Amino acid sequence: QSVLTQPPSASGTPGQRVTISCSGSSSNIGSNYLYWYQQVPGTAPKLLIFQNNQRPSGVPDRISGSKSGTSASLAISGLRSEDEAAYYCATWDDSLNGPVFGGGTKLTVL
Amino acid sequence: QMQLQESGPGLVKPSETLSLTCTVSGGSITSYYWSWVRQPPGKGLEWIGYIHSSGSTNYNPSLKSRVTIFVDTSKNQFSLNLSSVTAADRAVYYCARMPDTSGRGWFDPWGQGTLVTVSS
Repeated sequence: QSVLTQPPSASGTPGQRVTISCSGSSSNIGSNYLYWYQQVPGTAPKLLIFQNNQRPSGVPDRISGSKSGTSASLAISGLRSEDEAAYYCATWDDSLNGPVFGGGTKLTVL
Repeated sequence: QMQLQESGPGLVKPSETLSLTCTVSGGSITSYYWSWVRQPPGKGLEWIGYIHSSGSTNYNPSLKSRVTIFVDTSKNQFSLNLSSVTAADRAVYYCARMPDTSGRGWFDPWGQGTLVTVSS
């Protein structure tokens, strides 16, 4: 059972906009930055969003992150086949005194 | 561009100690936090622990009694020991840098990961 809750799956057709949610509590999302990682099968996770809504160099602006209270979301617009991957949210948990992850959401591009 | 590479045995016997090393290239290991994260096949990510180049550590409470992470700055490496392994410890083990100087931040970059199986 993950500390952060994500839907196990999401889907969309090419060109669509999809959002993936991540919910937590006041001891994690509510008081710390939120991060998103993309993991293509067979590869290591890749940082997608840091500090709630910042994109590392090379991540397209059709990918965005937001946070409100104890929840966060990742939005991908102009969906492409290459977006098919698992997406994980992560943050610091003050009770655990360490990083925690969501269970991951598998995004399928139909 | 900084790169991380995990190395170590891919097969460990039950009750023995899993030992992995992460070699950092393309940059210095000093002044950063360095983590180990694992992923059982088909499952999600679990943070194991981190170490600062100064040697200070922080471990996941669920694994703390079995985990030791240490750093060798002269070799630009940090290592993981996980004792008394069971089949539940079978996972891909990743090493990663934590760029935020507070140690409370994100993981980037990651190593490619190495699968460790526990079996006699």
